[in-house]
Amino acid sequence: DAGVIQSPRHEVTEMGQEVTLRCKPISGHDYLFWYRQTMMRGLELLIYFNNNVPIDDSGMPEDRFSAKMPNASFSTLKIQPSEPRDSAVYFCASSKDSPPLHFGNGTRLTVT
Amino acid sequence: AQSVAQPEDQVNVAEGNPLTVKCTYSVSGNPYLFWYVQYPNRGLQFLLKYITGDNLVKGSYGFEAEFNKSQTSFHLKKPSALVSDSALYFCAVRDVRYGGATNKLIFGTGTLLAVQP
Repeated sequence: DAGVIQSPRHEVTEMGQEVTLRCKPISGHDYLFWYRQTMMRGLELLIYFNNNVPIDDSGMPEDRFSAKMPNASFSTLKIQPSEPRDSAVYFCASSKDSPPLHFGNGTRLTVT
Repeated sequence: AQSVAQPEDQVNVAEGNPLTVKCTYSVSGNPYLFWYVQYPNRGLQFLLKYITGDNLVKGSYGFEAEFNKSQTSFHLKKPSALVSDSALYFCAVRDVRYGGATNKLIFGTGTLLAVQP
């Protein structure tokens, strides 16, 4: 089992650019979560999916953020346009029909 | 709303000594509680969970946690700390909405454990 796979591991971009983060959940997991980690705000849930359908996106900061899950093995989190305050580590996690969640190693995003 | 609190930003302990990382919770209904560990530049790794049953839960790497309903606590413990246990530890609770449990976890702010050799 390869675990949750996220790419890229690091992303550095300039303000105003579009950023796309990618996630491959563990095979057979029905739930997929996107979390953001910062020193100031800790771990925040942005959005989660069940069977590829978004269930709760109340944590998405604003319209600049969007997430999709076109199939059971792939999800993207897009930020357009990016801003310096979006700099954080973004984690993807997946689970079966109940916790625990299994996390990827994250994407460290730096927006300059 | 469901929440967990980790009152200590950092815990320092000498190698070989017992360690405790504190967590208190606030939930409606029966709590589903979890502990995770995060090493530098890595994702969170699941350690253990409490759903029901025995108040003492055993998990990975020799860790255990004690569920105390009267004190609404779920403290993480280990009898003998190792330098390699130094990491960031998160307590989490399963969210409940509209009377039913969701799969969403709400995390505490984390406690940095530093084990000195």
